[in-house]
Amino acid sequence: DQQVKQNSPSLSVQEGRISILNCDYTNSMFDYFLWYKKYPAEGPTFLISISSIKDKNEDGRFTVFLNKSAKHLSLHIVPSQPGDSAVYFCAPGRDGNNRKLIWGLGTSLAVNP
Amino acid sequence: DAGVIQSPRHEVTEMGQEVTLRCKPISGHDYLFWYRQTMMRGLELLIYFNNNVPIDDSGMPEDRFSAKMPNASFSTLKIQPSEPRDSAVYFCASSPDPGVWIGDEQFFGPGTRLTVL
Repeated sequence: DQQVKQNSPSLSVQEGRISILNCDYTNSMFDYFLWYKKYPAEGPTFLISISSIKDKNEDGRFTVFLNKSAKHLSLHIVPSQPGDSAVYFCAPGRDGNNRKLIWGLGTSLAVNP
Repeated sequence: DAGVIQSPRHEVTEMGQEVTLRCKPISGHDYLFWYRQTMMRGLELLIYFNNNVPIDDSGMPEDRFSAKMPNASFSTLKIQPSEPRDSAVYFCASSPDPGVWIGDEQFFGPGTRLTVL
């Protein structure tokens, strides 16, 4: 039973346009949500995060939106660049002493020049 | 800083053999995580340590898997005996004490690709 679902395994976008990656979760107890990016043959790298008490966090070209009532978050990349081509993972976690993250299966983004 | 170091990068072994994966976390990080990535299940947390003490090993699949952290700069993940279904990419990650913001990032190593024939 997957607690975190990234329903689009892949996404293709033109350079300069917006990329929107979605993530749905079932556990209303998650306190924070992280997005990671992963290139082939490398480990995931942290991209951006959001606390459950916020509905938006922005960092340069990357913005994450959180809709707690819908248990849905999205990552917007504007404008998209070819270097953004990677697999993106949504990884929420709970506050307290447990630092366990629950990972989605990822969305492979291809940004075409 | 060299980042999280994992060895070997690739391991091919035969079913029944013992496999040992190694990890050196970033100096000063209090937490160390072992993950396994497969196509079907994605990234799964196997176990994590805080100050060399195992905190949550609920993700360790079975007794064939064991992990140790004898000191702050070294950890091993051992599979004995290995089986073909253990074939996956194994990642080690480390992070500093999160302080107030529990959602601090984890820094990943490049992974070890394990193939069990």
